[in-house]
Amino acid sequence: EAGVTQFPSHSVIEKGQTVTLRCDPISGHDNLYWYRRVMGKEIKFLLHFVKESKQDESGMPNNRFLAERTGGTYSTLKVQPAELEDSGVYFCASSQDSIGLFFGEGSRLTVL
Amino acid sequence: GIQVEQSPPDLILQEGANSTLRCNFSDSVNNLQWFHQNPWGQLINLFYIPSGTKQNGRLSATTVATERYSLLYISSSQTTDSGVYFCAAVNYGGSQGNLIFGKGTKLSVKP
Repeated sequence: EAGVTQFPSHSVIEKGQTVTLRCDPISGHDNLYWYRRVMGKEIKFLLHFVKESKQDESGMPNNRFLAERTGGTYSTLKVQPAELEDSGVYFCASSQDSIGLFFGEGSRLTVL
Repeated sequence: GIQVEQSPPDLILQEGANSTLRCNFSDSVNNLQWFHQNPWGQLINLFYIPSGTKQNGRLSATTVATERYSLLYISSSQTTDSGVYFCAAVNYGGSQGNLIFGKGTKLSVKP
């Protein structure tokens, strides 16, 4: 069974540009989460989808971040316009029932 | 919100040694997980353990929910065990997936 997959693994962009990160959850998992780790800080929750609905987006830092999960399958996280402080690793995770979260390998974002 | 503290922050072991990593949390939890971040950055789910004891090969974990701590045991450590070990928890009554992560324990196993 395939795990959580994320694309791209690494993205380098300039300040002001747009980046879109993609996450494919484990097949059959209704719950999908985005987390991120910025330099020197702990891994922090961004938001939670249940199927296509946003269940909790309390961790989204500001309106430059937009997450979607059309059709309840894969999800995208768009950063527009990117700022220097957005650099870090963006993790996606999925889960089904109360068995814990399974994380992808992360997408490293570098904003220059 | 809940605070998650891990100790020690860094640990260096000789291959074959055993170790215990600790995670303290400040409030009741309904989800607690241990993860291993390997050198490639991937977060590997080790244990889902809000209470009790589980074992998986050379690894085992115990959570004593009433005393608000969890322990991860690594026996007969191997160089491939190197990396950062994270504990993450969800406040009792909180959203299941809103994990609060500790700062991690960086483990280096020397050959």
